[in-house]
Amino acid sequence: GQNIDQPTEMTATEGAIVQINCTYQTSGFNGLFWYQQHAGEAPTFLSYNVLDGLEEKGRFSSFLSRSKGYSYLLLKELQMKDSASYLCAVRVGGGFKTIFGAGTRLFVKA
Amino acid sequence: DTEVTQTPKHLVMGMTNKKSLKCEQHMGHRAMYWYKQKAKKPPELMFVYSYEKLSINESVPSRFSPECPNSSLLNLHLHALQPEDSALYLCASSPAGTSGTINEQFFGPGTRLTVL
Repeated sequence: GQNIDQPTEMTATEGAIVQINCTYQTSGFNGLFWYQQHAGEAPTFLSYNVLDGLEEKGRFSSFLSRSKGYSYLLLKELQMKDSASYLCAVRVGGGFKTIFGAGTRLFVKA
Repeated sequence: DTEVTQTPKHLVMGMTNKKSLKCEQHMGHRAMYWYKQKAKKPPELMFVYSYEKLSINESVPSRFSPECPNSSLLNLHLHALQPEDSALYLCASSPAGTSGTINEQFFGPGTRLTVL
């Protein structure tokens, strides 16, 4: 079966750092994506990991451990506009099939 | 142009109607996707077209019929839908590279469908 787990909700303070975890158990692995989705809008691509380690992109970093089936998204210097859902998604197999986790709703407070 | 466009934005239809959702991209992407998303749930993959050929059908009921007339356009034809089909329908596109490419998906704004 395919399973992707993320916390349902998180709250953090403006200017702080937050880490959103994702664990997955999938048949086949061909890369892990993080997307941001504001309420009522389409998801937008944030980061991609296919090899173990950390990928850094401005205020956002993403980490992958394939042996542990684990990834996290790190958001630094939080801003109010970062309040959104963060979706962890795994590409399975050699094609284009991507499975999304249920998403983590992040609330950033002043 | 780094945009995926979808029309219409909103659609209300009865269970006996036939309607179509349209999606367009001009980024040269050769993979295009249809997803269904219910409120507070993740997108669920329905169909994938790769180089204008249907490559994935996630056991979607036949009342949903996809079509890819060319490399820029993707349609979803709807017929005899049920109220539980009411959802946000998202179209996405991505490059279709092989090894070494990310192939991240670019999503359109979606069509919010209500079936009465």
